[in-house]
Amino acid sequence: DIVLTQSPGTLSLSPGEGATLSCRASQSVSSSYLAWYQQKPGQAPRLLISGASSRATGIPDRFSGSGSGTDFTLTISRLEPEDFAVYYCQQYGTSPRTFGQGTKVEIK
Amino acid sequence: QVQLQESGPGLVKPSETLSLACTVSGVSISDYHWTWIRQSPGKGLEWIGYISYSGSTNYNPSLKNRVAISVDTSKNQFSLKLRSVTAADTAVYYCARARGFFDNWGQGTLVTVSS
Repeated sequence: DIVLTQSPGTLSLSPGEGATLSCRASQSVSSSYLAWYQQKPGQAPRLLISGASSRATGIPDRFSGSGSGTDFTLTISRLEPEDFAVYYCQQYGTSPRTFGQGTKVEIK
Repeated sequence: QVQLQESGPGLVKPSETLSLACTVSGVSISDYHWTWIRQSPGKGLEWIGYISYSGSTNYNPSLKNRVAISVDTSKNQFSLKLRSVTAADTAVYYCARARGFFDNWGQGTLVTVSS
């Protein structure tokens, strides 16, 4: 199985600041088949990014994804109050599909 | 607009079978792949398996011997059965549309395994 390791575990930031979240894979993710999700308490995860860098429908352009191979990044350019949540990466290049353990972005 | 809704018992006894259904609206279930994912505090998000529009399945090897996913096109619904459950199977279970990534999710249903 591909293990996805997200860092940091928690980011403490203020609204308006930028956030950089990392997702590192234990082996190369084929064809950059990597997705990012946002999850708020009591809600299901919401797809933000697929294919490492393609924003899902309706996702603001302050969210961007980059990377390939084993190193991927989710960047939030300017944090809005609604962006404080937990973020997960997921690979879908290999079965079984696997998720990272999550990065919590909290208000400082 | 694609919508998914899980249904089924919220409490299952150890060693019994967990059974959930997911009703899909807004699209034909025959046009996509569909998946089950669960989330527990101890293990985070775990992919359980998926069923394709043709009915073929792919399961997580960690659960393969206990899990079955099926589809009922007449009801636009797909289902999960997980046999011989233990407390470790206590989780929020989500159904979702699978396109490799998961772009539409149900709200999730908490299933507790306890006597």
